[in-house]
This record gives sequence, C-alpha cells and structure tokens, in this order.
Amino acid sequence: NAGVMQNPRHLVRRRGQEARLRCSPMKGHSHVYWYRQLPEEGLKFMVYLQKENIIDESGMPKERFSAEFPKEGPSILRIQQVVRGDSAAYFCASSPPPTANTEAFFGQGTRLTVV
Amino acid sequence: AQSVTQLDSHVSVSEGTPVLLRCNYSSSYSPSLFWYVQHPNKGLQLLLKYTSAATLVKGINGFEAEFKKSETSFHLTKPSAHMSDAAEYFCVVMGGYSTLTFGKGTMLLVSP
Repeated sequence: NAGVMQNPRHLVRRRGQEARLRCSPMKGHSHVYWYRQLPEEGLKFMVYLQKENIIDESGMPKERFSAEFPKEGPSILRIQQVVRGDSAAYFCASSPPPTANTEAFFGQGTRLTVV
Repeated sequence: AQSVTQLDSHVSVSEGTPVLLRCNYSSSYSPSLFWYVQHPNKGLQLLLKYTSAATLVKGINGFEAEFKKSETSFHLTKPSAHMSDAAEYFCVVMGGYSTLTFGKGTMLLVSP
C-alpha cells in the first residue's frame, strides 16, 4: 500500500505563472488535507476536501488559490499568477472518514520556488 | 478552537543525554494530540499520538509523551539522545473534521 504521493517534489515557477501541485491519497482514503509550511514556521492548514466536495477552505488565501479532489484522479492545489511569497513547502495528508482515532498520513511535500 | 504552543524554538543536547521538548495546548474539548518529526527536506513522520486512552504514550525511536490535563501539557521526552534525532519536532492538536493545528516547531540539535 503506497503512502501519500505528492508530485512534483520540487517545482520552480516564474512570477505570474501557474503552479499545479498533485496529491494522490493512500488507497482507501477519501479525505485530503493541504497544508503550507513557510520558512521558519510550522504547517498551516489550508483546505480539507472530500471527493468532489470542499469541506473546509478557511485556511485558503482568498485569491489565486484553489483546490479540487475529483471523483477520479489526484487532488490538485492550483496557484495562479504565483508571487515570491508563495514559495513554500506544500504538504498533503489523507485519511479515511474521520473518527476520534483517525490518523492523517502525510506526503513528502512539494517545494515550490517562485523566481 | 484549539491552539498549540511549543515553548522552545531550539533545544540543544549532547548525545546520550535526555531530551525534553515542551508543548502546551488549548482546546475547548478533549483533544487528540500528536508529535510529528521532520528531518531536513523530508516529509512528516508521526512519532506518537494521544487519543484519550493511556496518558503516557510511547512512540517510535524511544520517544514518549505524557498528557497532563491539569497542566494542559503534552511534553515529548527521550531518555538518551542519538545523533539521528536531530530534526524539527511539531506538537499538533486535532480539531474538527480531523484538521490539524501545528505548533511552530522545535529544532532539536544533538552534539557529539
């Protein structure tokens, strides 16, 4: 059973370009979470998705950022018109339907560098 | 709402000496608490978790943590540090929908 797979591991974009980050959850997991880690900071929650449904996007910036988790295929975090401040590590986690003892499993992260 | 405070941004120990990484939490209900470790340029690995069972939780690599409700603490300890323990450690509380709130992290430095 492969773990949570994120790709690419490293992504370089010029200012103004679009960045697409992919996350394939663990087999059997229907819930995906995205977190962002800025330099010198802990991880900050961005968005929580179930297949075809956004459950909580309270941590998403209001503009340029969007996320989806289609019925088939990976979850995608999309950043339009990237700026230098978007440079960060983006981590995806997946879990089965949450209960009191649910554990989220993290991917290796995608490190986005905006030049 | 829940929050986590990691009291030290950096902790330095010598190899073979005990490790103590401090964490205090705030939660409006009985929390689930975790410690994660992140080695440089790597993903996050779960060290241990507390989910209202035993208050002393044993994790991987000899780490353990004790949940103290009266002190709202969940400190991480290890009796004897190893060079390979050098990494960043995150204390985490689980909120609604299983979303995780992370502390700012404690960098553990281990010297020979």
